[in-house]
Amino acid sequence: AQTVTQSQPEMSVQEAETVTLSCTYDTSESNYYLFWYKQPPSRQMILVIRQEAYKQQNATENRFSVNFQKAAKSFSLKISDSQLGDTAMYFCAFMNRWGAGGTSYGKLTFGQGTILTVHP
Amino acid sequence: GAVVSQHPSWVICKSGTSVKIECRSLDFQATTMFWYRQFPKQSLMLMATSNEGSKATYEQGVEKDKFLINHASLTLSTLTVTSAHPEDSSFYICSARYPSSYNEQFFGPGTRLTVL
Repeated sequence: AQTVTQSQPEMSVQEAETVTLSCTYDTSESNYYLFWYKQPPSRQMILVIRQEAYKQQNATENRFSVNFQKAAKSFSLKISDSQLGDTAMYFCAFMNRWGAGGTSYGKLTFGQGTILTVHP
Repeated sequence: GAVVSQHPSWVICKSGTSVKIECRSLDFQATTMFWYRQFPKQSLMLMATSNEGSKATYEQGVEKDKFLINHASLTLSTLTVTSAHPEDSSFYICSARYPSSYNEQFFGPGTRLTVL
């Protein structure tokens, strides 16, 4: 079974600064997807960024980028130019890729979450 | 983007009663939907996978007789909490898999259940 670990329960950052959220995972699969989701106070889950494990290039979405280290099973999220609207709980998540088989196909396994507060 | 709705957004019920929560994909057909449970400031825990036209697949430790899931159409899955107790109080979230992208799920806004 896959596990996802976020070791930072809470983080804070000043507006306009950069912050990095950590995530490690454990799997025996070679093909999979990794995600970062944002859950603001409204509790609506929002996809921030997605990474395919077979792609070496780190995914980037505007101010959000990841540092994907497959060998180390690490998947950190960097938020640049932090904004007040970035205040939320952030979840790292893992999904087996098609063909991985078993009963875990298509299911998301979430980490414990990191509460990020952006201060003005 | 694709939209998933949940109804109701919040519900309060008495202990021993049953409560039904609906999850709808508004602008796409979803053969697979997922139900999660989330306690305050905690992670999402997958309860079950709902497949249109077939029985749901429950995660280990989830009581299938207590949490009844029905996925009768390509746009609707329902979760019924039967004989609810205060410990069932939680935030329930559904997601729907986008049909042309198996790795993409869209989440509903969640339903807060309080059992008195």
